[in-house]
Amino acid sequence: SQTIHQWPATLVQPVGSPLSLECTVEGTSNPNLYWYRQAAGRGLQLLFYSVGIGQISSEVPQNLSASRPQDRQFILSSKKLLLSDSGFYLCAWTFQGRTNSPLHFGNGTRLTVT
Amino acid sequence: AQSVTQLGSHVSVSEGALVLLRCNYSSSVPPYLFWYVQYPNQGLQLLLKYTSAATLVKGINGFEAEFKKSETSFHLTKPSAHMSDAAEYFCAVSDQAGTYKYIFGTGTRLKVLA
Repeated sequence: SQTIHQWPATLVQPVGSPLSLECTVEGTSNPNLYWYRQAAGRGLQLLFYSVGIGQISSEVPQNLSASRPQDRQFILSSKKLLLSDSGFYLCAWTFQGRTNSPLHFGNGTRLTVT
Repeated sequence: AQSVTQLGSHVSVSEGALVLLRCNYSSSVPPYLFWYVQYPNQGLQLLLKYTSAATLVKGINGFEAEFKKSETSFHLTKPSAHMSDAAEYFCAVSDQAGTYKYIFGTGTRLKVLA
C-alpha cells in the first residue's frame, strides 16, 4: 500500500527566513504530486503540482517555489518568508495519468510566520 | 473548465438528524467527483468518489452521495449525525482537460449539536 509522509508537522519561522517543507511518497512509482495551502478558515489553494521529475507547474505565488529532485519527493521552498505565507500546507499524491483517482493527502504542516 | 460550488459554509444539525451537505459542479464532460473530510489540524481524508459507475455512491462512516446529472449536483448525506461527524467537508472535481489539477470547493463546516 501507499503512504505519504510530510514534515515537519509544525513550524514557526520569522519573517525573511527561508523555508523548506518536504513530502515523500512510498509504495508507488511516478505519482502526480501536489502542494496546497489553507489559510485560516478558507478553502484549499493549489500552489504547485508535478507530473514527473523536474516538471513543476505553478498556480500561484511568486514567493514560493517547488522542486521534485526524485521521483517520489516533493519540496516546497521559499528564500524569504512573508507574514502572508502563514497557513496550513498540504502535500498530496495521485496515480500518474488517472484523473479518476482521488488525491491522497499528508497530515499537513502548520506554518506560522512571526 | 470544471468547478464545484458548496452551498453553505456552516451547517448545524442535531445529533441523530439527517446530514445534507450540498455540492454543485460545472463540467462540460462527465466529471469525476470526490468528497473529503478534514478534522482540525489534519490532512483531508477521502469519504467517497464518483467515477461514472453507480450514481449512488457509498462511502466511509455511513456517508453517501448521489450524482444527479440533471441537477449537476453531488450532495453528501448521512441519515443520522453523530458527534464525531463534526468536521469540515470538501467537494472536489478532477480536471479532465489534461492538466491533472483537482479543484476544491470552499468547504462546509459541520457542527453537530447534542
